[in-house]
Amino acid sequence: EVQLVESGGGLVQPGGSLRLSCAASGFTFKEYWMHWIRQAPGKGLVWVSRIKGDGSHTVYADSVKGRFTVSRDNAKNTLFLQMNSLRAEDTAVYYCARDGDHWNFDYWGQGNLVTVSS
Amino acid sequence: QSALTQPASVSGSPGQSITISCTGTSSDVGAYNYVTWYRQYPGKAPTLMIYDVTERPSGVSDRFSGSKSGNTASLTISGLQSEDEADYYCSSYTTSVTWVFGGGTKLTVL
Repeated sequence: EVQLVESGGGLVQPGGSLRLSCAASGFTFKEYWMHWIRQAPGKGLVWVSRIKGDGSHTVYADSVKGRFTVSRDNAKNTLFLQMNSLRAEDTAVYYCARDGDHWNFDYWGQGNLVTVSS
Repeated sequence: QSALTQPASVSGSPGQSITISCTGTSSDVGAYNYVTWYRQYPGKAPTLMIYDVTERPSGVSDRFSGSKSGNTASLTISGLQSEDEADYYCSSYTTSVTWVFGGGTKLTVL
């Protein structure tokens, strides 16, 4: 069974940093592209970032480019999102998701809330 | 990249059919047949319902179907059931090698 479990969220001040983790199991992690997607409270879904299976290629939404960095540790089956220079508008539930080979997201984690506030 | 346009809400009675539209541009919905639909219950993660415009993953009811014409995709749910009440989001791959979602549609089963 595919499982994705996020951790690392919480309250951070504007301008601060936070690193999210996503532990994967139930599939061969290194063979899959992975994504981060976020959802502000009461709002819609927004795609954030994508990383290739071997970590060699990354893509970001314009809203986070230069501030967020996606990475992965295939030996530990774990995906990361390093978030720097955080802003109030980054407040959201952050989901990790597996790339479904059809330009979609076929499995999602349970989500992890990040709150940026003073 | 602007969000795809969905109606904020739709409603229907049990047994009826409803359709949710998803309008984009020639850079996303109109560019590829890579439109996906997700269902999200309150407080839960989204789940994939339709991919590649019309395809259903195994385990998804055949009451769910998708279509596309030009820059607009649609999700139709037939034989509405109470458990269909949820938020529905469309998503599309884009020519910028990114993904864009719709704003979401709240489905109410009357």
